[in-house]
Amino acid sequence: DAGVIQSPRHEVTEMGQEVTLRCKPISGHDYLFWYRQTMMRGLELLIYFNNNVPIDDSGMPEDRFSAKMPNASFSTLKIQPSEPRDSAVYFCASSPGTGVGYTFGSGTRLTVV
Amino acid sequence: SQQGEEDPQALSIQEGENATMNCSYKTSINNLQWYRQNSGRGLVHLILIRSNEREKHSGRLRVTLDTSKKSSSLLITASRAADTASYFCATDADTDKLIFGTGTRLQVFP
Repeated sequence: DAGVIQSPRHEVTEMGQEVTLRCKPISGHDYLFWYRQTMMRGLELLIYFNNNVPIDDSGMPEDRFSAKMPNASFSTLKIQPSEPRDSAVYFCASSPGTGVGYTFGSGTRLTVV
Repeated sequence: SQQGEEDPQALSIQEGENATMNCSYKTSINNLQWYRQNSGRGLVHLILIRSNEREKHSGRLRVTLDTSKKSSSLLITASRAADTASYFCATDADTDKLIFGTGTRLQVFP
């Protein structure tokens, strides 16, 4: 298995533009998580899915952020419109269940100028 | 919000020495996990310890858990330059999701 695959690896966009981050979890993993990492706030959980259903989106900072999981092999995190304070590394992770370790993707480094 | 706080924030040691990192958390847990993050990379799962366990080993790693004190420690024995990374503890706080601590930056000098 290729692991959790995220794209793009780097994204530079102008303030106000729409940004879409993509994630392909490991096949057979029922849970998918989106995290954001910044120096100031560390690793924050934004949203997670179980069997493609959003379970907890309490970490999504604003209505500008949305996430979908249309099927078991694909998820997107969208920011519209983007702002400079959204600059961070966004990680996707998946796991086969609860009480087990997560597998993280390599992350998307987002810079909003 | 962060559930765990690691201590120290940064640690520098020589190759061959042992490195100890501590984690404190706030609520009851089912399990506690430790992860490593190399610069510019994603997190890698190292070890999981359940709330009814007190100690666990994996290679050069030893993890302890004291649920009465809501704390855990990660010991890396005979450290190597390749162990240089940030280390995070994460807890589930009796839910399906993991909340990560603030991390310890470990530097191992050859």
